[in-house]
Amino acid sequence: ETGVTQTPRHLVMGMTNKKSLKCEQHLGHNAMYWYKQSAKKPLELMFVYSLEERVENNSVPSRFSPECPNSSHLFLHLHTLQPEDSALYLCASTDDRFSNYGYTFGSGTRLTVV
Amino acid sequence: EDQVTQSPEALRLQEGESSSLNCSYTVSGLRGLFWYRQDPGKGPEFLFTLYSAGEEKEKERLKATLTKKESFLHITAPKPEDSATYLCAVNTGGFKTIFGAGTRLFVKA
Repeated sequence: ETGVTQTPRHLVMGMTNKKSLKCEQHLGHNAMYWYKQSAKKPLELMFVYSLEERVENNSVPSRFSPECPNSSHLFLHLHTLQPEDSALYLCASTDDRFSNYGYTFGSGTRLTVV
Repeated sequence: EDQVTQSPEALRLQEGESSSLNCSYTVSGLRGLFWYRQDPGKGPEFLFTLYSAGEEKEKERLKATLTKKESFLHITAPKPEDSATYLCAVNTGGFKTIFGAGTRLFVKA
């Protein structure tokens, strides 16, 4: 266990479905992130939540909607996705804006849109 | 535009055959350079942070070095269990971290 837990591990959804990804950390970190990892491409930052602010990548489509109810939990709400949204979605946390120890990642949710 | 490029895309080694992975970067300002290891079906796992040119860090068979333009991850006498994807990432300040696409390493017994 890495300290960051993501559920579900795998998700298959139709383009008209609505689903949510969940991330949980009990490391005492105060920043949480959603990253998208597509095959042979660099990790792409989608959203950041910290105590001070929410940061988002302006290129992320509105069909992805994050929610951070507290410092330990992070959700990614999905609706009307497209097949090109199929990817590994990684949650990560850090103890500050810049951490000497980098990110602590979860194992990811493998999303397939059909 | 800030950019991080890793090479080669894939590397196949025999057990015991030492080699190096490259991470070249063009960024406006380096706050830290990170190396991660990612196994299939898992998230990346932190290995090293390097902060300034000339710095080196070691962990078992891995040694990371940093210059003003690139970083190398040297693998000495690799074993099959070193097979994984190795990711490089550069933080330029605050939440801005740019990842490379990774190098897939295969070590054959």
